[in-house]
Amino acid sequence: AQTVTQSQPEMSVQEAETVTLSCTYDTSESDYYLFWYKQPPSRQMILVIRQEAYKQQNATENRFSVNFQKAAKSFSLKISDSQLGDAAMYFCALSGSARQLTFGSGTQLTVLP
Amino acid sequence: DAGVIQSPRHEVTEMGQEVTLRCKPISGHDYLFWYRQTMMRGLELLIYFNNNVPIDDSGMPEDRFSAKMPNASFSTLKIQPSEPRDSAVYFCASSPGTGSNQPQHFGDGTRLSIL
Repeated sequence: AQTVTQSQPEMSVQEAETVTLSCTYDTSESDYYLFWYKQPPSRQMILVIRQEAYKQQNATENRFSVNFQKAAKSFSLKISDSQLGDAAMYFCALSGSARQLTFGSGTQLTVLP
Repeated sequence: DAGVIQSPRHEVTEMGQEVTLRCKPISGHDYLFWYRQTMMRGLELLIYFNNNVPIDDSGMPEDRFSAKMPNASFSTLKIQPSEPRDSAVYFCASSPGTGSNQPQHFGDGTRLSIL
């Protein structure tokens, strides 16, 4: 079975500052993929960034980057230069050979002006 | 390109009624997933299809829930009879068949309220 744990139910960050959201996971598979999804109040699920487990290089997408520590089974999301539009619930998710996503419980991010 | 389309966006109905949620995946996507989101249980997979065939329905709560995918462009999730504990947001998602790292694209969800 796969599990994903997000230990920070809520986080806040000052506009223009940097924030890191934590995620740990467990899987018995050697080939898997990790994702961060954003869910704003509109309830859309928006892909933020993805990481292939076999790649050592950390993924980046503009202001979003990950710190992928495979041995520690850790996959944190760093948001740089935070903007008001970044305020949302952020979900860490894991996908293995079976394709379906296993989600963490989410971190509610508040951006303070 | 059109994204995943779900209907209705909101549904309010009384306990015992039949509820049908609909989903149109992105054209060309071979995988279709149904998820349910509640405060208590978070996001959980109900069932998923590959090329219109159900692959894993172990997340379907009970026999009151059923899902079909009669063709590549349409899927339904039906609850009969509905109960108040079925109240949740139901998401449909689709992804391409090639490359298991392909992300899932989500619809806007259906907020279901059973009174």
